[in-house]
Amino acid sequence: GAVVSQHPSRVICKSGTSVKIECRSLDFQATTMFWYRQFPKQSLMLMATSNEGSKATYEQGVEKDKFLINHASLTLSTLTVTSAHPEDSSFYICSARRNNEKLFFGSGTQLSVL
Amino acid sequence: KQEVTQIPAALSVPEGENLVLNCSFTDSAIYNLQWFRQDPGKGLTSLLLIQSSQREQTSGRLNASLDKSSGRSTLYIAASQPGDSATYLCAVNNAGNMLTFGGGTRLMVKP
Repeated sequence: GAVVSQHPSRVICKSGTSVKIECRSLDFQATTMFWYRQFPKQSLMLMATSNEGSKATYEQGVEKDKFLINHASLTLSTLTVTSAHPEDSSFYICSARRNNEKLFFGSGTQLSVL
Repeated sequence: KQEVTQIPAALSVPEGENLVLNCSFTDSAIYNLQWFRQDPGKGLTSLLLIQSSQREQTSGRLNASLDKSSGRSTLYIAASQPGDSATYLCAVNNAGNMLTFGGGTRLMVKP
């Protein structure tokens, strides 16, 4: 089946640093990738929709200058949390869509900002 | 705006019991509905996908039903096992190809 690889699985960083999370579709081309965030004991919330070769579409309340999304190829999307703060600590999950089939999810990244 | 609600929020059952998880959504104009499993600190595993034209899907001990007109879906787990312990999420895919997730049901199956 389709596989989506997300890296790193866990990252701890100091406040003020930037963190990059990668999401790769390993065996299919994903024209659209989605980034979600999940705070403890809460459900997943869509942050942004990433389309290959164009700017990402951000959900209301998500700062595009803080959460930089790049989808430069059909198999790779990156999310960069710039100048991370403790309130950005969360679980980030990407997903990729193969054609119009169901979404395939990465394994997630647990970000802890000290 | 689509809203998805899952009931109950938490459930604890003895091993072997059959159980039903509920999901309701406010906007019936959906493309499909998907049930996921999430283990603590990990990503999502897709369990079942029901297209808007379908009424149910089955995979092993899992059966998911969809009643689009009433905005409801159920996930039935037969003969529950301790390994089924996880959080179960339902997610609705509207025409905009974005998922709206419910809050999840945390299931604990006790041996």
